[in-house]
Amino acid sequence: AQSVTQLGSHVSVSEGALVLLRCNYSSSVPPYLFWYVQYPNQGLQLLLKYTSAATLVKGINGFEAEFKKSETSFHLTKPSAHMSDAAEYFCAVTSTGGFKTIFGAGTRLFVKA
Amino acid sequence: DTGVSQNPRHKITKRGQNVTFRCDPISEHNRLYWYRQTLGQGPEFLTYFQNEAQLEKSRLLSDRFSAERPKGSFSTLEIQRTEQGDSAMYLCAQDRGDSPQETQYFGPGTRLLVL
Repeated sequence: AQSVTQLGSHVSVSEGALVLLRCNYSSSVPPYLFWYVQYPNQGLQLLLKYTSAATLVKGINGFEAEFKKSETSFHLTKPSAHMSDAAEYFCAVTSTGGFKTIFGAGTRLFVKA
Repeated sequence: DTGVSQNPRHKITKRGQNVTFRCDPISEHNRLYWYRQTLGQGPEFLTYFQNEAQLEKSRLLSDRFSAERPKGSFSTLEIQRTEQGDSAMYLCAQDRGDSPQETQYFGPGTRLLVL
């Protein structure tokens, strides 16, 4: 069975500071990992995904994530937060075993001026 | 704009009533998913279709829930005899259906409130 744990339901950073959103996964088969972002009153949209090609994945809006198999982690980072980054972020996992996607509970990012 | 549209955007109903939601797809995206999202939680998988075939259903999808995708185009999700616990955001998503690593494109959701 697959699962995703996002540490911290809320994260607050100052504008210009480092953003770090944590995600740990559990999967018995090689996983595909995703980060989606949800802005208020909008649908989820993909930030980036890991599909076994490269462990460091770059996404949109300056975000990146690193797949660490030994730590079963896929943390999301951005060097410098912008006010427009305030949103809810979801980590998700699928696998070669099927198409069912498991999402984490989400982390709401607040950016202070 | 992902191109996936859902109607209605909001629905308020009384307990015991039936409701139906619709999802209109992006053309040539042949896999369609339904999720339920409650406050403070991530989307929970309900079911998915490959073209018109419903291939997997979650245990969350009780016998009061039914989903269809006639002709592999739009999809409907019906909830019969609604209960207050059904109050949630219902999300539709699609991908091209080639592999599990495909990006899913989400609609804006239908927010259901059962009184």
